[in-house]
Amino acid sequence: EIVLTQSPGTLSLSPGERATLSCRASQSVSRNYLAWYQQKPGQAPRLLIYDASSRATGIPDRFSGSGSGTDFTLTISRLEPEDSAVYHCQQYGSSLTFGGGTKVEIK
Amino acid sequence: QVQLQESGPGLVKPSETLSLTCTVSGGSINSYYWSWIRQPPGKGLEWIGYIYSNGNTGYNPSLSSRVTILIDTSKNHFYLKLSSVTAADTAVYYCARIGGCSGGSCSINAVNYWGQGTLVTVSS
Repeated sequence: EIVLTQSPGTLSLSPGERATLSCRASQSVSRNYLAWYQQKPGQAPRLLIYDASSRATGIPDRFSGSGSGTDFTLTISRLEPEDSAVYHCQQYGSSLTFGGGTKVEIK
Repeated sequence: QVQLQESGPGLVKPSETLSLTCTVSGGSINSYYWSWIRQPPGKGLEWIGYIYSNGNTGYNPSLSSRVTILIDTSKNHFYLKLSSVTAADTAVYYCARIGGCSGGSCSINAVNYWGQGTLVTVSS
């Protein structure tokens, strides 16, 4: 089973700042089948990025994904207040597993 | 637009079987992979298992001895059964669509369709 480790656990930044979230896999993710989700309290997760770097429909271009193999990054270029949420990574190249999540707080 | 809706008891006693139904609307259940995912309160997401519309299944190894996922294509429903539950199984349970087959090619993808989730509490 591929274990995904997300860091940091919590990120506290001001509006307009850049957020960089990391997701590290215990082994290489096949075909870079890595997704990122945003989850707000009481809601189901929302798909942001799939296949490591492709934005899902309707996702603002301030969200971008990068990386390959075992190291992946979600970048939010200019934080807005509504970006306050927990962000999860998930691999679907070998069965499915999720990371533990990163909480983004907006000051 | 595909919509998914979970239903079932919100309270289950320890050692009993948790049973949930996911109703798929706005699209066909055929030729797709369907999944159950859960999230304990304040914790991360955990994949439970999936089923293809022909009945083929795949389960999380950590839960496979207790999990059964079934599908009824005539009703556009799929189901989760989790046996011998304990307090550790208390979670919000989501149903989701995780991929499909087209032109002879099948793939499991990122989750673009989620149910709203249903909280199941295991307690006597």
